[in-house]
Amino acid sequence: RKEVEQDPGPFNVPEGATVAFNCTYSNSASQSFFWYRQDCRKEPKLLMSVYSSGNEDGRFTAQLNRASQYISLLIRDSKLSDSATYLCAVNTNAGKSTFGDGTTLTVKP
Amino acid sequence: DAGVIQSPRHEVTEMGQEVTLRCKPISGHDYLFWYRQTMMRGLELLIYFNNNVPIDDSGMPEDRFSAKMPNASFSTLKIQPSEPRDSAVYFCASRGPSEEQPQHFGDGTRLSIL
Repeated sequence: RKEVEQDPGPFNVPEGATVAFNCTYSNSASQSFFWYRQDCRKEPKLLMSVYSSGNEDGRFTAQLNRASQYISLLIRDSKLSDSATYLCAVNTNAGKSTFGDGTTLTVKP
Repeated sequence: DAGVIQSPRHEVTEMGQEVTLRCKPISGHDYLFWYRQTMMRGLELLIYFNNNVPIDDSGMPEDRFSAKMPNASFSTLKIQPSEPRDSAVYFCASRGPSEEQPQHFGDGTRLSIL
């Protein structure tokens, strides 16, 4: 079993739709959580950190469920420009980050 | 502030040749990570350093791969001899001292071994 698992998708949604991604992690010692966005042939870029109480940044909402060991990302009112691959990342106190394989989102007109 | 800087951006070489990838982390970042990304295997952690010391190299595929970090502002990933299956995008990332901080990636090196 992978340390961090994501549904690879692809998710194909129309503009304006709401879409949610989940990411599960197996290491209960995991301390910090992040969502990254990766465009085709580009590097992963930090989208947002995930805080215990949940956090929102515009159309994006991230949540953490420590009991069930998953994090989620909700995108509201999706735009064409949201099309990308979304990777979750989990930091442990050993110093390293483990990334999921990513979920591909395509937003269509 | 400058981000993580990698060079070269692209490298095409013949199998058997030595390949050296370079990375300059963000100033003040204590952690440096080398990743490899392919369609088949996703983003794989090869090795990471903390304060210039290698902490975990269990992701290095085999002895042909080696990485060094001689100082806080420079790291190399070397493949010798290179093989076609090493073709991938290699990313370097750095992070501050706290586990609550995210990693920041360089633009990557697109490596093609013919």
